Amino acid sequence: QSALTQPASVSGSPGQSITISCTGTSSDIGGYNYVSWYQQHSGKAPKLMIYDVTKRPSGVSNRFSGSKSGNTASLTISGLQAEDEADYFCCSYADGTTHVMFGGGTKLTV
Amino acid sequence: QVQLQESGPGRVKPSETLSLICTASGDSITNGHYWGWIRQPPGKGLEWIGSIFHTGSVYYNASLKSRVTISVDTSKNHFSLRLTSVTAADTAVYYCVRGGNYLNWFDPWGQGTLVTISS
Repeated sequence: QSALTQPASVSGSPGQSITISCTGTSSDIGGYNYVSWYQQHSGKAPKLMIYDVTKRPSGVSNRFSGSKSGNTASLTISGLQAEDEADYFCCSYADGTTHVMFGGGTKLTV
Repeated sequence: QVQLQESGPGRVKPSETLSLICTASGDSITNGHYWGWIRQPPGKGLEWIGSIFHTGSVYYNASLKSRVTISVDTSKNHFSLRLTSVTAADTAVYYCVRGGNYLNWFDPWGQGTLVTISS
């Protein structure tokens, strides 16, 4: 199965907002509200930032928000800070024998 | 809060079996979540391997299913990964994770352990 499609890189200046897209199909993103997003700093383990499309775990800044339209999910980071520079991966539940799919990752440069 | 720690050899020979254990602290693996494994080849993206519930209900990535076994030992509060017939393509950082009941989130992640497939 193919991975979810993310842009390879995005960039923004401190204080700005950016959005990272994640495109799938009706068998994954479009069919379920089970999209999650992970932040990974270089050499570190990924960290859950958004789950169930829009929900933020306790402790995650409200500068991070998620949304979905059709087969595309999005992660928006507002008020960019230097510490937001990292790789971001989307993930979705998928039907059939696939179960879970990840995007290829997006490198955010601040 | 829950913490996960992977353990196992850092190098495995081609065609042999990769075996890792993940020990959970701060939460019981019988506490109603899925527990699983995700890997990341050097410089590449994330790949879900599989997840297991403490009752033994298990889901695997279809592309790895023929080579993967995930099991749970509730008495030791740990779960395990076995991957048979490994090749260089299996070289990756292997993370253990706690997951939502619909495989809808993964949190937290262990620190990860690099396993290199090499003779």
